[in-house]
Formats: sequence, C-alpha cells, structure tokens
Amino acid sequence: KQEVTQIPAALSVPEGENLVLNCSFTDSAIYNLQWFRQDPGKGLTSLLLIQSSQREQTSGRLNASLDKSSGRSTLYIAASQPGDSATYLCAVKDSNYQLIWGAGTKLIIKP
Amino acid sequence: NAGVTQTPKFRILKIGQSMTLQCTQDMNHNYMYWYRQDPGMGLKLIYYSVGAGITDKGEVPNGYNVSRSTTEDFPLRLELAAPSQTSVYFCASSLNWGSTDTQYFGPGTRLTVL
Repeated sequence: KQEVTQIPAALSVPEGENLVLNCSFTDSAIYNLQWFRQDPGKGLTSLLLIQSSQREQTSGRLNASLDKSSGRSTLYIAASQPGDSATYLCAVKDSNYQLIWGAGTKLIIKP
Repeated sequence: NAGVTQTPKFRILKIGQSMTLQCTQDMNHNYMYWYRQDPGMGLKLIYYSVGAGITDKGEVPNGYNVSRSTTEDFPLRLELAAPSQTSVYFCASSLNWGSTDTQYFGPGTRLTVL
C-alpha cells in the first residue's frame, strides 16, 4: 500500500532564506507527484505537477524534483517571503489513479 | 469562473443527525471528488465520480453517500452522523483522469459532530 511521508511536520525560517521541503513515498509505481499549497480557511492550490517520466518542474521561485527510484521528492523555495507561509502538501497518483497524500509541512516565514 | 464552491463553510451536528454537503463546479470538469482531512493527517478519498450518473467508492466511504445527477453538482450525504465524522471536507474536480491532470479544490466544510 502506498504511503506518503513529509518531513518536517513544521518549519520556521527567517525571510529571505532558501529552503527545502521533503516528501517520500513507498511505492515507485506512480503516474505523477504533485505539490499543493493549503492556506487556512481556503482550499488547496496546485503548485507543481511532475509526471513519472520527468525529473523536475519549476514555477517562479519554486522548483520540485522527483527521484522515483528512491521514492523521494523535494520542493525548493528560493528567497522565501512571509506570503509563502502556508501548509505544503505532497501527493502521488498511484497505480489506481488515486491521489495518496502526505500530512503536510506547515511553513512559517518570519519577517 | 467561481471554480469549485462548497456550502456550508461550517456546521455542527448532533450524533444521529443527517446533512448534505453541497459541491458545485463551473469548469465543466468530468471528474469530481470528496475528501476528508483529519487534523495532522493527509487527505483521504471518500467517493469520486467520473461523470454524471457514475460514482465509486474511495478509501473511506462508510457512513457517506453521493450522487451525481449533473456535471456541475456532487453532493455528499452524511446519514446518522457520528463523532468520527468530525473533519474538514473538501470537494475537488478535474477535467480528466490522466497523469497531467491536476485537481481543483473548494474551500472546504468544517464539520463537528457532538
């Protein structure tokens, strides 16, 4: 059974720092891996989607990598800003085409 | 486009009561989903639909029912509410089922069962 783990559960850093969020999964048979952002009281917003054949995707200050063989993905945020404060969720689309979710990393960027 | 809308935003139920969580999308998406998110946990799929008239169970369907009579609407029915159903419920939609399709989420319904 696919399991997705995100470490750390929470992270607090000063504004301007570059940071890395981690996601690991137990079964490499995935169709894609997605990173979402969740703000309090709001729904989830898709940030990046990496297909299983791809190694990375970039959007602005965000870069996500995928190493399917080791079951790992990282989300790199450059030059962090207070507006980046949110919970970041990782999800993999498994062999049944369903999304399996991690519990998220709560990120706080201190001004 | 409003995207995916959900009502209500908050609800408190007593044990044994029933209610329907409403979900509507205006993107003409084929696929719709219901998830629940418990504190400190990832989302769990309750039910999904691949089109009007077609629904299927997800990982945690017990205690819930769904219907999909139109492309736009996908209500979730809770019968005989139990404290274990206290959670935040998210509705989502996607155009297709493929490896490049992402899901679009509503703002969620926070449900407490006392």
